[in-house]
This record gives sequence, structure tokens and C-alpha cells, in this order.
Amino acid sequence: AQRVTQPEKLLSVFKGAPVELKCNYSYSGSPELFWYVQYSRQRLQLLLRHISRESIKGFTADLNKGETSFHLKKPFAQEEDSAMYYCALRPSGAGSYQLTFGKGTKLSVIP
Amino acid sequence: DSGVTQTPKHLITATGQRVTLRCSPRSGDLSVYWYQQSLDQGLQFLIQYYNGEERAKGNILERFSAQQFPDLHSELNLSSLELGDSALYFCASSAVAGIHTGELFFGEGSRLTVL
Repeated sequence: AQRVTQPEKLLSVFKGAPVELKCNYSYSGSPELFWYVQYSRQRLQLLLRHISRESIKGFTADLNKGETSFHLKKPFAQEEDSAMYYCALRPSGAGSYQLTFGKGTKLSVIP
Repeated sequence: DSGVTQTPKHLITATGQRVTLRCSPRSGDLSVYWYQQSLDQGLQFLIQYYNGEERAKGNILERFSAQQFPDLHSELNLSSLELGDSALYFCASSAVAGIHTGELFFGEGSRLTVL
């Protein structure tokens, strides 16, 4: 069975400082990894996925298969980045949309 | 709002009771997923339906059951409720046709409190 671990429940950084939200996974196959975000009073929504190799709102994440990690990074934190962030894994295989989520990290950006 | 809608938003009930949570997926989405989020826990996958049929099952208790109806809305039935069933229950939907992006669209959740 797959597992996603987010070691930090809470991460506080100052505005303008770099941010790194950690995510480690265990899965025997070749997974797809995602970051979901939930801003205050909003729904959980997709932030980015590793296969897209895109930067969303200044965030990037690189899948490191050797270290089984998918850390989320942003060079300069903004106040509006304060939110709950969830790392999620989707097993490989067609038609499988079951996502396994980590417990989440609450990011607090201090003005 | 054509997003995922869940009712009720809040529900308070007693141990031993039975409740039904309802979910309407986004227009056109064929898959519905149910997740449970308990205190200090991440989202735990319960069950997935695709076009009326059960597609995948997670850590869903035998006291819980779900179904998806022809109009694609889904219901999650929780019976013989225990204090530990108190949680936020999320429904999500996805578009399964075409390009499989893997993106789930979540509802706002139904908060169940068992007293």
C-alpha cells in the first residue's frame, strides 16, 4: 500500500523568505504526485502535479524518485500563500483516480 | 454554482443513529469519491463510484455504505454511529473521459458530529 508523509504539521516563515514544504512517499510502482491547497474558507483544490512540470503561483515541485520525495518550493513567500497544503499520490495504472493524501502542512507566512 | 455540492454542511447526531450525506458532482463528471478527514488525520479515501458502479474501495467500515444514482449524485450512508465517526466528510468528482489529468474537484464537506 502507498503512503504519503508530510513531516511538518506547521511551518511558519517570514514574508519574502524561501519556503519548502516536505513530502515523502512510499510506493512500489511509478506514482503520480500532486500538491493540493486549501486557502481559508475555500475548497481543497489542485495546486500542481509533477507530470506538468509547471510553476503555479511561484511554486514548483520536483519528483525525486531516488529519495522518494516531492517537496514543494517557492523562493519568496507571500502572505497570500498562507494555507493548508496536502501532498497526494495516485498509483500508476489507467483509470485509477484514488489519491492517497498526507496529513497536510499548515503554512503561515508572517508579514 | 456548477461545482461539487454537498449536503448537509453540518450534522449533529447521537451514537447508534444513521445518517445520509449527499453529494452532487460537477456537471459532466462521472466519478465520485468520498473521503473522511478526522481530527489530526489526513484525508482517508473511503470509496469511488464511476457512472453508477463501485470502482475502488478504501478503508471504509462495514457500517458505511455508498451508492451513485443514475443522475450521478451519490449518497454516503453511515449507520450505528460511534463517537469516532465524527469527522469532515468530503466528496470529490473528476472527469474520467478524455485526458486523464488526475485532478479531483472537492466539495466543501459535511461536518458530522456524533454525541
